[in-house]
Amino acid sequence: QVQLLQWGAGLLKPSETLSLTCAVYGGSFSDYYWSWIRQTPGKGLEWIGEINHSGSTNYNASLKSRVSTSVDTSKHQFSLQLTSVTAADTAVYYCARGRVNGGRDFQHWGQGTLVTVSS
Amino acid sequence: NFMLTQPHSMSESPGKTVTISCTRSGGSIASSFVQWYQQRPGSSPSTVIFENYRRPSVVPERFSGSIDRSSNSASLTISGLKTEDEGDYYCQSSDNVNPVIFGGGTKLTVL
Repeated sequence: QVQLLQWGAGLLKPSETLSLTCAVYGGSFSDYYWSWIRQTPGKGLEWIGEINHSGSTNYNASLKSRVSTSVDTSKHQFSLQLTSVTAADTAVYYCARGRVNGGRDFQHWGQGTLVTVSS
Repeated sequence: NFMLTQPHSMSESPGKTVTISCTRSGGSIASSFVQWYQQRPGSSPSTVIFENYRRPSVVPERFSGSIDRSSNSASLTISGLKTEDEGDYYCQSSDNVNPVIFGGGTKLTVL
């Protein structure tokens, strides 16, 4: 059974850096891309970016200048950093396992982390 | 860039059938697989359809997916509606530039 468990700071001030980590339990770590997806309050889903086991990344063009991801294959963990946050970055952030099928298919998600940006 | 457009909300009675559309603007709907996710309040999204029409084993046969090249859209059909089917539904697909694009979501009310 595959489980994704995520954690990170839930309250940030404007201009700080958001940092989240997701641990993967069960299943292969090397056969997938590992994504971060966010959902602003009352709004839809926005894909942030992804990384695979070898460190290959893809990012949403609208966030690319502020996003970085990293991976620790020994721990089956991957992380997200989003710099210079503003109130517009307040959202629930999810990690997800992306199966490559030409695009991506997310059949396993983390529990979500609410990140609030407020002064 | 392309967009996926869904109706903002839909409602239907228990036992009935509802079809949620997802229209692609920019590129062919058939160029990449479409996935559908259900999200209940307070929960993470979960897959109900992947690769246009395939269902995860835990998803009931009442859920089905299809694509229509003529309207450049994908559809999620839920038959025999139950109150537990209430929630938000999102379509998702990709292109050569964007590995992941989500539709805006459809709020389904079963009453």
